[in-house]
Amino acid sequence: DTGVSQDPRHKITKRGQNVTFRCDPISEHNRLYWYRQTLGQGPEFLTYFQNEAQLEKSRLLSDRFSAERPKGSFSTLEIQRTEQGDSAMYLCASSSLSLNEQFFGPGTRLTVL
Amino acid sequence: DQQVKQNSPSLSVQEGRISILNCDYTNSMFDYFLWYKKYPAEGPTFLISISSIKDKNEDGRFTVFLNKSAKHLSLHIVPSQPGDSAVYFCAALPGTYKYIFGTGTRLKVLA
Repeated sequence: DTGVSQDPRHKITKRGQNVTFRCDPISEHNRLYWYRQTLGQGPEFLTYFQNEAQLEKSRLLSDRFSAERPKGSFSTLEIQRTEQGDSAMYLCASSSLSLNEQFFGPGTRLTVL
Repeated sequence: DQQVKQNSPSLSVQEGRISILNCDYTNSMFDYFLWYKKYPAEGPTFLISISSIKDKNEDGRFTVFLNKSAKHLSLHIVPSQPGDSAVYFCAALPGTYKYIFGTGTRLKVLA
């Protein structure tokens, strides 16, 4: 297993466009998380899935953001009508139910022009 | 409101000496803490953790100390090596899954 992977690694888009990111977690992990990190800050929690169920969404996740994990494996995070304030690193992590440690992917860096 | 604080944005240490990174938290209900290391262009990597029922956890060169009464934890790295140069985040786990991260401390180990 090569760990958590994310695609793309970088995305540059124009304001108002839609973007979608993909995360492939470690295969046996039931839990999947999305975080957002901006410059000079630590990662901030966005949303959490246990298998295919989205169990929590942060108030940071406006109605322009939607996340799915349709078969309890990979997940997608879509941002509609992007704004410059959406520019950040979007991190995905996964973990098993029995351990507290989360394993992070390399992130997708979004730049909104 | 920042519930997990790392008040030192950067730290420089000579190779072979001890590095001490500090973290303060505000919520006494936090019961599990972790340290992550992050290199540029990579995601955070788990380093070491501690439960609130302990006051120390050690793993090789890395030791985490927890002072619950002061709501303070620290990460000691000894001896420090140039490869330890990275950004270090502390995180609190207030429940069963959602981390609350600090803002990070950039450690530079000088050869």
